[in-house]
Amino acid sequence: DGGITQSPKYLFRKEGQNVTLSCEQNLNHDAMYWYRQDPGQGLRLIYYSQIVNDFQKGDIAEGYSVSREKKESFPLTVTSAQKNPTAFYLCASSTGAPTNTEAFFGQGTRLTVV
Amino acid sequence: DAKTTQPNSMESNEEEPVHLPCNHSTISGTDYIHWYRQLPSQGPEYVIHGLTSNVNNRMASLAIAEDRKSSTLILHRATLRDAAVYYCILRPSQILSGYSTLTFGKGTMLLVSP
Repeated sequence: DGGITQSPKYLFRKEGQNVTLSCEQNLNHDAMYWYRQDPGQGLRLIYYSQIVNDFQKGDIAEGYSVSREKKESFPLTVTSAQKNPTAFYLCASSTGAPTNTEAFFGQGTRLTVV
Repeated sequence: DAKTTQPNSMESNEEEPVHLPCNHSTISGTDYIHWYRQLPSQGPEYVIHGLTSNVNNRMASLAIAEDRKSSTLILHRATLRDAAVYYCILRPSQILSGYSTLTFGKGTMLLVSP
């Protein structure tokens, strides 16, 4: 089935450790996005990529890094510089169709840093 | 990005129609109106989108005001599975700006009673 896969679903890390969240899509979409969601809040954009080997910072990029070496994959690294890393992380993808077709989201990774 | 205003929460009874309002008085002429919904602990799911004309699909209908400063998402017969947070989002046209991102507010939490 086509879609976006995020893994793992739950992730626990100790404070001060870097952690990488996986996001893979088989929809042949050019654009991919990472969002963060805190309890009771909407989603906030961390990074996005429109094409392989290119990406742009979103609204809250500090403390995060990404790579886009393959069209299908857009991993997010939460570094030790991120002050409040505990959150629900969502990956999405979409085409660049001019008529603004839908974005597809993964099921999310819930990261807890202790 | 243009902002939207939605009620924090709404309630409905099962099998009744639901009208979810959204105000977007600063919408530009090339902004598309998107609706997504998010069930608890899941990624957002696309519902519908439109530009000027009313739109229907298998999930819902979108009614857009003539001046485009407001819109209404219509669920024709609410079910318990429709209980979710509904987000109204303005997405700039990808014809002019290339890939555009989705900016999420807090949305409307829809509660459905049996």
